[in-house]
Amino acid sequence: SQKIEQNSEALNIQEGKTATLTCNYTNYSPAYLQWYRQDPGRGPVFLLLIRENEKEKRKERLKVTFDTTLKQSLFHITASQPADSATYLCALGGYNNNDMRFGAGTRLTVKP
Amino acid sequence: GAGVSQTPSNKVTEKGKYVELRCDPISGHTALYWYRQSLGQGPEFLIYFQGTGAADDSGLPNDRFFAVRPEGSVSTLKIQRTERGDSAVYLCASSLMGASNSPLHFGNGTRLTVT
Repeated sequence: SQKIEQNSEALNIQEGKTATLTCNYTNYSPAYLQWYRQDPGRGPVFLLLIRENEKEKRKERLKVTFDTTLKQSLFHITASQPADSATYLCALGGYNNNDMRFGAGTRLTVKP
Repeated sequence: GAGVSQTPSNKVTEKGKYVELRCDPISGHTALYWYRQSLGQGPEFLIYFQGTGAADDSGLPNDRFFAVRPEGSVSTLKIQRTERGDSAVYLCASSLMGASNSPLHFGNGTRLTVT
């Protein structure tokens, strides 16, 4: 069966460091992958989209990589701030449809 | 402009009752999604609409769940004979064309509690 795994439930880092979150998938060939941020009691908010033919995408302090051989995406936040503390979700979508499947998320805490 | 609006924000109902959850998407967005999220989990796909039609309803857990979008805008998720296991946050999202080309814009969800 298809699986999307975000490798840790929680990640704690010090302010100023780079946070790296992982999204692995099995039995899946996604055409694209998206990353979202979710704060408690709120809906997810879109951050970045990367397609299967793109290796890397950047937006300000955020960087996403997509390795279809390893079946893995890495999400980096550089120069992390306490305000970056939230749950981060990866989501995968296929070629012939527009439905998206989400991972369970990783809760990031950035300590001052 | 206004984002995705979901009503009610909270709903408490007794086991066996019928509930309707409403979603008002961003104006002009043709794609609409329903997800269910339990505590500590990611959103679980339920159904996806493109316009008025359900393009993919493979995530609906059983025939107690049904969703409509009669005019291609507002959508209603209907749950019959609610069970305690239906308790979760129900999220709605809309997208300009569909998730492969444009991001999902989520509402803040309806927290459903079945007692």
